[in-house]
Amino acid sequence: GESVGLHLPTLSVQEGDNSIINCAYSNSASDYFIWYKQESGKGPQFIIDIRSNMDKRQGQRVTVLLNKTVKHLSLQIAATQPGDSAVYFCADLRGSNYKLTFGKGTLLTVNP
Amino acid sequence: NAGVMQNPRHLVRRRGQEARLRCSPMKGHSHVYWYRQLPEEGLKFMVYLQKENIIDESGMPKERFSAEFPKEGPSILRIQQVVRGDSAAYFCASSPLETSGVYNEQFFGPGTRLTVL
Repeated sequence: GESVGLHLPTLSVQEGDNSIINCAYSNSASDYFIWYKQESGKGPQFIIDIRSNMDKRQGQRVTVLLNKTVKHLSLQIAATQPGDSAVYFCADLRGSNYKLTFGKGTLLTVNP
Repeated sequence: NAGVMQNPRHLVRRRGQEARLRCSPMKGHSHVYWYRQLPEEGLKFMVYLQKENIIDESGMPKERFSAEFPKEGPSILRIQQVVRGDSAAYFCASSPLETSGVYNEQFFGPGTRLTVL
């Protein structure tokens, strides 16, 4: 079936380290990808996006990499801070500009 | 500018009762989306509404679930005769008037956590 899924359900890092969260997708028709951060008890918050015609996009402390050959997406967080602790979801759009399909999420825990 | 507001934040219902979840979009936003999140799962699209219109309800269960976004007032997600499997977090998102871009960014509310006893 078509899905957006995560390789690892949990990731634990030390404060100051870099974090890499991975995501695989199966639908080659996906043309837009978004990373969301969800803190406990809150709704998802947009972090960064990337279109399928790009392979890298950078934001503030975050970088998203897209490898269309192997249908793989990653989120890199530089100098991870305790406030980065949350569940991170990748999501994609296919065939519309609104119907998001979310993966299961990776729980990132940052140890002081 | 207040964000997307949802109420109640927590709702407990017994099997067979009705659940009504409310969503007030961000000021100036005319598009509303509802998603359901089961424990340890990603969000699943349910329905997309504009004022007085249901645009896409492809993710909505065919029975017991309905949604509306009236001309005045919040959007309502209504679940009739709730069952234990309806226990989940229900998130509402809103977006502004449609843009010509690839993605019309959705801003999410804090969610309503429904527990069915």
